[in-house]
Amino acid sequence: KAGVTQTPRYLIKTRGQQVTLSCSPISGHRSVSWYQQTPGQGLQFLFEYFSETQRNKGNFPGRFSGRQFSNSRSEMNVSTLELGDSALYLCASSLGPIGTDTQYFGPGTRLTVL
Amino acid sequence: GESVGLHLPTLSVQEGDNSIINCAYSNSASDYFIWYKQESGKGPQFIIDIRSNMDKRQGQRVTVLLNKTVKHLSLQIAATQPGDSAVYFCAEKTSGGSYIPTFGRGTSLIVHP
Repeated sequence: KAGVTQTPRYLIKTRGQQVTLSCSPISGHRSVSWYQQTPGQGLQFLFEYFSETQRNKGNFPGRFSGRQFSNSRSEMNVSTLELGDSALYLCASSLGPIGTDTQYFGPGTRLTVL
Repeated sequence: GESVGLHLPTLSVQEGDNSIINCAYSNSASDYFIWYKQESGKGPQFIIDIRSNMDKRQGQRVTVLLNKTVKHLSLQIAATQPGDSAVYFCAEKTSGGSYIPTFGRGTSLIVHP
């Protein structure tokens, strides 16, 4: 069974631009959650989607948004990029909502904002 | 196992030794804990989890111990191998309401052959 895939793997943007990241969960998994990982702050929860509905949201500004499609694939969007948005963005999928089943992480998208 | 700024705590061991990685959590209402392993260039990988109604749980070569009195979690790796070299961090879930996972900063484990 294929693992969680994320595209693109690497991305370079400039301040003020917007970016869309994509995550394809493991087949059959209905929960997709997104995380930001930086050396300074570690791994931080962004939001979780389950059956196309946002269940939980972390403490991030409204510039960070996401959605989930009927096939469980998810996208994350960051608008008006700032230098501090440079990070590794990870998504994870699980059969059920977070806390009920094991989460499987993808390899991440490395975003660099110049 | 908590870090300050950019520097992660580091644990260096010899191949074959047992390793113990620690994690302190802050919320006494947390009822579910997970240990992850993250190798360079990869996403975190689930290792083992434990619920607050347990003190100990064993997996293959790994054991997690939970001390709710002092809000402390540890991961023991038996017969550590070079392939165990990675950053290890814990995550906690608070009981009730929405689940927003909170992660520790991590500990870098270096295994010398």
